[in-house]
This record gives sequence, C-alpha cells and structure tokens, in this order.
Amino acid sequence: AQSVTQLDSQVPVFEEAPVELRCNYSSSVSVYLFWYVQYPNQGLQLLLKYLSGSTLVKGINGFEAEFNKSQTSFHLRKPSVHISDTAEYFCAVSDRTGGFKTIFGAGTRLFVKA
Amino acid sequence: EAGVAQSPRYKIIEKRQSVAFWCNPISGHATLYWYQQILGQGPKLLIQFQNNGVVDDSQLPKDRFSAERLKGVDSTLKIQPAKLEDSAVYLCASSLDSNTEAFFGQGTRLTVV
Repeated sequence: AQSVTQLDSQVPVFEEAPVELRCNYSSSVSVYLFWYVQYPNQGLQLLLKYLSGSTLVKGINGFEAEFNKSQTSFHLRKPSVHISDTAEYFCAVSDRTGGFKTIFGAGTRLFVKA
Repeated sequence: EAGVAQSPRYKIIEKRQSVAFWCNPISGHATLYWYQQILGQGPKLLIQFQNNGVVDDSQLPKDRFSAERLKGVDSTLKIQPAKLEDSAVYLCASSLDSNTEAFFGQGTRLTVV
C-alpha cells in the first residue's frame, strides 16, 4: 500500500521569495506522482504530474517538482511566489499497477505575505 | 470542455437525517470517483466506478453510505443516517479510464449538526 507524507502543514513566505513544499511517499511498486492545488471553496486543480521520463517536471503557474526515486521524494518548488499562490497544496501518489486510485497527503497550506 | 459538475454546493442537515449528492462527470469519462475530504486532511477515496460497475469501495462505510452510477454516467452518493463525523467536503472526480488522470469537481460541503 502507498502512503504520502507532506512534511509541513503550513508554510508562510513573503511575496517574491522562493518556496519549497516537501513530499515523501512510500510504495512497494512504481508510482505516478502529482501535486494538486486547492483554493478556498474550490475543487482540486492539477499543478503537475510525473508519469515517466525526465525527473524534473514543470507545471502551471511557474511551479516545478523533482522526482527523486532514491529518496522517495517529490518536492514542489517555485522561485518567486505571488499573493495569489496562497492555497492548500496536496501531494498525491497513484499505483501504476492498480488503476489510478490516488492517495493524497494531508496537505500544506502556503500563505504568501506582502 | 465542461468540467465535473456537482450539486448541491452546500448542505446542512441534522444528525440521523439522510442526504444525497449528485455528480455529472466529464462527457466520455468512464471512471468516476467519490472522495471525502475532512477539514485539515487530504481527500480520501470512498468509491471508484468503471462505467456502472464498482471497482473499489473498500473505504466506503457501507452501513450508512451508498453510491450508484446508473447508466454509467451520472452518480449519486447517499448518507443515511448521517453522523456528526460525516461533516466534510465530498469531491467527485472523473477520468477517461482508470489509467489516466482525474479531474475534480468543486465539491459539496456537508455540515451535520
């Protein structure tokens, strides 16, 4: 069975500063990895995904993430954040062999301050 | 392309009452999921449909929760009777098939008082 650990429940950061949201996963099989963003009172929106190939994945809104198989991590980064990036971010993993059932982490709340 | 539609957006009920949520997936998507997101937690899969058949309902509390997807398109999720701990956002998602990414609706926020 897979599991996902988001290491920070809240990350406050000043506008235009860089940010990293950390995610570690565990799985006995190969996985797909995702980052989703959830704005207040909204559904989940896919930021980026890793399915195969290059371990550096670029997503929407200037976010990117790097898949590190040896460290079982998939940290999300952005070089310069905006006020509008304030939201909840979820890391998720899907088992490649069992369909696309997706397991989510508990979430990291990114709070961007002016 | 229209997204996943859910209704209602908000619902407040008393404990022991029943409630139903509706989901209309993206046209042509064979796979449909229902997730429960309790405040402060990530979404948890309740049930997965492939067309009108259930693929996984291992996390569904079957003594009070039920779901159906008649005709393999729209789906309803029902809770009867509701408990206080059922207060959560219920998210519906759909995908072309079970091996492609899922797209999420805006969710239904349920408050049980």
